[in-house]
Amino acid sequence: QVQVVQSGVEVKKPGASVKVSCKTSGYTFTNYCITWVRQAPGQGLEWVGYICPYSGKTNNAQNVQGRVTMTTDPSTTTAYMELRSLRSDDTAVYYCARSLGATTFDYWGQGTLVTVSS
Amino acid sequence: DIQMTQSPSSLSASVGDKVTITCQASQGISNYLNWYQQKPSQAPKLLIYDASNLETGVPSRFSGSGYGRHFTFTISSLQPEDIATYYCQQYENRTPITFGQGTRLDIK
Repeated sequence: QVQVVQSGVEVKKPGASVKVSCKTSGYTFTNYCITWVRQAPGQGLEWVGYICPYSGKTNNAQNVQGRVTMTTDPSTTTAYMELRSLRSDDTAVYYCARSLGATTFDYWGQGTLVTVSS
Repeated sequence: DIQMTQSPSSLSASVGDKVTITCQASQGISNYLNWYQQKPSQAPKLLIYDASNLETGVPSRFSGSGYGRHFTFTISSLQPEDIATYYCQQYENRTPITFGQGTRLDIK
Protein backbone atom coordinates (compact mmCIF):
# COMPACT_ATOMS: atom_id res chain seq x y z
CA GLN A 1 0.00 0.00 0.00
CA VAL A 2 1.10 3.54 -0.67
CA GLN A 3 2.67 5.29 2.31
CA VAL A 4 4.01 8.83 2.69
CA VAL A 5 5.89 9.64 5.89
CA GLN A 6 7.37 13.03 6.69
CA SER A 7 10.10 14.16 9.06
CA GLY A 8 9.35 15.66 12.45
CA VAL A 9 8.66 19.04 14.00
CA GLU A 10 11.10 21.86 13.32
CA VAL A 11 11.65 25.09 15.24
CA LYS A 12 13.79 27.68 13.50
CA LYS A 13 14.82 31.28 13.94
CA PRO A 14 14.09 33.93 11.32
CA GLY A 15 16.67 33.82 8.55
CA ALA A 16 17.49 30.15 9.07
CA SER A 17 16.80 27.25 6.72
CA VAL A 18 14.75 24.10 7.11
CA LYS A 19 14.76 20.86 5.14
CA VAL A 20 11.71 18.60 5.33
CA SER A 21 11.82 15.03 4.08
CA CYS A 22 9.02 12.96 2.58
CA LYS A 23 9.65 9.21 2.46
CA THR A 24 7.40 7.26 0.10
CA SER A 25 6.77 3.58 -0.47
CA GLY A 26 4.34 1.22 -2.13
CA TYR A 27 4.47 2.61 -5.67
CA THR A 28 6.92 3.36 -8.47
CA PHE A 29 8.49 6.59 -7.23
CA THR A 30 9.48 7.94 -10.62
CA ASN A 31 5.98 7.60 -12.08
CA TYR A 32 4.49 10.42 -9.96
CA CYS A 33 5.30 13.94 -8.92
CA ILE A 34 5.52 15.14 -5.33
CA THR A 35 3.63 18.31 -4.43
CA TRP A 36 4.16 20.42 -1.31
CA VAL A 37 1.23 22.22 0.33
CA ARG A 38 1.33 24.26 3.51
CA GLN A 39 -1.26 25.35 6.05
CA ALA A 40 -0.64 28.23 8.42
CA PRO A 41 -2.24 27.91 11.87
CA GLY A 42 -6.01 28.12 11.58
CA GLN A 43 -5.81 28.87 7.86
CA GLY A 44 -6.54 27.13 4.57
CA LEU A 45 -4.35 25.19 2.17
CA GLU A 46 -1.64 26.90 0.13
CA TRP A 47 0.21 25.30 -2.77
CA VAL A 48 3.98 25.62 -2.40
CA GLY A 49 5.23 23.73 -5.45
CA TYR A 50 6.05 20.39 -7.01
CA ILE A 51 8.83 18.23 -8.37
CA CYS A 52 8.49 15.40 -10.87
CA PRO A 53 11.26 12.80 -10.49
CA TYR A 54 10.82 11.43 -14.01
CA SER A 55 11.56 14.77 -15.65
CA GLY A 56 13.29 16.74 -12.90
CA LYS A 57 10.78 19.52 -13.55
CA THR A 58 9.95 21.76 -10.64
CA ASN A 59 7.68 24.71 -10.15
CA ASN A 60 6.80 26.75 -7.10
CA ALA A 61 4.72 29.57 -5.74
CA GLN A 62 5.80 33.14 -6.17
CA ASN A 63 6.04 33.82 -2.43
CA VAL A 64 8.75 31.16 -1.99
CA GLN A 65 10.46 31.73 -5.33
CA GLY A 66 14.23 31.92 -4.86
CA ARG A 67 13.99 30.56 -1.31
CA VAL A 68 12.83 27.00 -1.94
CA THR A 69 14.60 23.97 -3.40
CA MET A 70 12.77 20.74 -4.07
CA THR A 71 14.74 17.59 -4.71
CA THR A 72 14.23 13.85 -4.86
CA ASP A 73 16.39 10.79 -4.21
CA PRO A 74 14.99 7.90 -6.26
CA SER A 75 17.39 5.46 -4.55
CA THR A 76 15.55 6.02 -1.26
CA THR A 77 12.19 7.11 -2.78
CA THR A 78 12.40 10.27 -0.72
CA ALA A 79 11.57 13.85 -1.62
CA TYR A 80 12.93 16.93 0.11
CA MET A 81 11.89 20.54 0.41
CA GLU A 82 14.41 23.09 1.66
CA LEU A 83 13.16 26.55 2.54
CA ARG A 84 15.72 29.28 3.23
CA SER A 85 15.61 32.78 4.72
CA LEU A 86 12.69 31.74 6.90
CA ARG A 87 10.20 34.36 8.00
CA SER A 88 7.52 34.27 10.66
CA ASP A 89 4.85 33.91 7.97
CA ASP A 90 6.47 30.64 6.86
CA THR A 91 5.18 29.10 10.10
CA ALA A 92 2.87 26.32 8.96
CA VAL A 93 2.26 22.62 8.68
CA TYR A 94 3.98 21.49 5.49
CA TYR A 95 2.45 18.52 3.67
CA CYS A 96 3.90 16.49 0.84
CA ALA A 97 1.58 14.51 -1.39
CA ARG A 98 1.91 12.07 -4.25
CA SER A 99 0.61 13.84 -7.29
CA LEU A 100 -0.90 12.67 -10.53
CA GLY A 101 0.57 14.99 -13.13
CA ALA A 102 1.31 17.49 -10.37
CA THR A 103 -2.39 18.37 -10.34
CA THR A 104 -4.24 15.86 -8.14
CA PHE A 105 -2.98 14.88 -4.72
CA ASP A 106 -4.04 11.36 -3.82
CA TYR A 107 -1.76 10.28 -0.95
CA TRP A 108 -0.60 12.75 1.68
CA GLY A 109 2.03 12.70 4.37
CA GLN A 110 1.06 13.38 7.97
CA GLY A 111 2.44 16.90 7.85
CA THR A 112 5.49 18.60 9.38
CA LEU A 113 5.03 21.61 11.64
CA VAL A 114 7.65 24.26 10.98
CA THR A 115 7.67 27.09 13.49
CA VAL A 116 9.70 30.21 12.80
CA SER A 117 10.21 32.28 15.91
CA SER A 118 12.92 34.34 17.50
CA ASP B 1 -3.95 33.65 -10.47
CA ILE B 2 -7.29 31.87 -10.59
CA GLN B 3 -9.33 32.65 -7.48
CA MET B 4 -11.61 29.97 -6.05
CA THR B 5 -14.55 31.15 -3.95
CA GLN B 6 -16.34 28.60 -1.80
CA SER B 7 -19.67 29.07 -0.12
CA PRO B 8 -20.74 28.90 2.53
CA SER B 9 -17.62 29.32 4.66
CA SER B 10 -19.31 27.27 7.37
CA LEU B 11 -22.54 25.38 7.87
CA SER B 12 -24.32 23.22 10.38
CA ALA B 13 -26.54 20.34 9.37
CA SER B 14 -28.26 17.36 10.95
CA VAL B 15 -27.39 13.73 10.45
CA GLY B 16 -29.20 12.52 7.35
CA ASP B 17 -29.41 15.95 5.74
CA LYS B 18 -28.34 16.66 2.19
CA VAL B 19 -25.41 19.10 2.22
CA THR B 20 -24.26 21.21 -0.73
CA ILE B 21 -21.13 23.32 -1.06
CA THR B 22 -20.40 25.48 -4.08
CA CYS B 23 -17.12 26.61 -5.58
CA GLN B 24 -16.81 29.35 -8.17
CA ALA B 25 -13.69 30.00 -10.22
CA SER B 26 -12.67 33.49 -11.29
CA GLN B 27 -12.36 32.19 -14.86
CA GLY B 28 -13.32 29.04 -16.70
CA ILE B 29 -11.39 25.95 -15.64
CA SER B 30 -13.13 23.24 -17.68
CA ASN B 31 -13.51 20.29 -15.29
CA TYR B 32 -10.07 20.75 -13.72
CA LEU B 33 -11.34 20.71 -10.17
CA ASN B 34 -10.83 18.45 -7.16
CA TRP B 35 -12.48 18.26 -3.73
CA TYR B 36 -10.70 17.36 -0.50
CA GLN B 37 -11.86 16.60 3.03
CA GLN B 38 -9.74 17.60 6.01
CA LYS B 39 -10.60 16.40 9.49
CA PRO B 40 -9.10 18.19 12.50
CA SER B 41 -5.37 17.53 12.94
CA GLN B 42 -5.30 15.30 9.85
CA ALA B 43 -3.96 15.65 6.35
CA PRO B 44 -6.42 16.39 3.55
CA LYS B 45 -7.99 13.47 1.73
CA LEU B 46 -8.93 13.41 -1.94
CA LEU B 47 -12.66 12.75 -2.42
CA ILE B 48 -13.56 13.89 -5.94
CA TYR B 49 -11.29 14.47 -8.95
CA ASP B 50 -11.96 16.02 -12.35
CA ALA B 51 -15.09 17.66 -10.90
CA SER B 52 -17.26 14.56 -10.74
CA ASN B 53 -15.21 11.38 -10.35
CA LEU B 54 -15.31 9.61 -7.00
CA GLU B 55 -11.92 8.57 -5.69
CA THR B 56 -11.58 4.84 -5.03
CA GLY B 57 -12.83 3.87 -1.60
CA VAL B 58 -14.81 7.06 -0.99
CA PRO B 59 -18.45 6.46 0.01
CA SER B 60 -21.03 7.03 -2.71
CA ARG B 61 -22.90 9.63 -0.62
CA PHE B 62 -20.23 12.08 -1.81
CA SER B 63 -20.58 13.53 -5.30
CA GLY B 64 -19.44 16.46 -7.40
CA SER B 65 -20.62 18.25 -10.51
CA GLY B 66 -19.96 21.33 -12.57
CA TYR B 67 -17.98 22.72 -15.48
CA GLY B 68 -16.44 26.00 -16.41
CA ARG B 69 -16.75 28.37 -13.45
CA HIS B 70 -19.41 26.79 -11.25
CA PHE B 71 -19.04 23.60 -9.25
CA THR B 72 -21.03 21.78 -6.59
CA PHE B 73 -20.05 19.24 -3.95
CA THR B 74 -22.83 17.24 -2.32
CA ILE B 75 -23.19 14.86 0.60
CA SER B 76 -26.48 13.06 0.02
CA SER B 77 -27.01 11.98 3.63
CA LEU B 78 -24.74 13.53 6.25
CA GLN B 79 -23.02 11.14 8.64
CA PRO B 80 -21.29 12.05 11.93
CA GLU B 81 -17.90 11.09 10.49
CA ASP B 82 -18.31 13.71 7.74
CA ILE B 83 -17.52 16.52 10.16
CA ALA B 84 -14.57 18.24 8.51
CA THR B 85 -13.47 21.16 6.41
CA TYR B 86 -13.90 20.75 2.67
CA TYR B 87 -11.72 22.41 0.02
CA CYS B 88 -12.01 22.76 -3.71
CA GLN B 89 -8.80 22.99 -5.77
CA GLN B 90 -8.30 24.03 -9.39
CA TYR B 91 -5.54 22.87 -11.69
CA GLU B 92 -6.44 24.45 -15.00
CA ASN B 93 -3.62 26.85 -14.29
CA ARG B 94 -0.86 24.78 -12.72
CA THR B 95 1.14 27.78 -11.64
CA PRO B 96 -0.16 28.42 -9.23
CA ILE B 97 -2.57 25.71 -8.23
CA THR B 98 -5.12 27.33 -5.96
CA PHE B 99 -7.57 26.17 -3.29
CA GLY B 100 -10.84 27.58 -2.11
CA GLN B 101 -10.84 29.05 1.38
CA GLY B 102 -12.60 26.00 2.81
CA THR B 103 -16.06 25.17 4.14
CA ARG B 104 -16.29 24.05 7.74
CA LEU B 105 -19.08 21.53 8.28
CA ASP B 106 -20.51 20.84 11.74
CA ILE B 107 -23.31 18.68 13.06
CA LYS B 108 -26.33 20.63 14.27
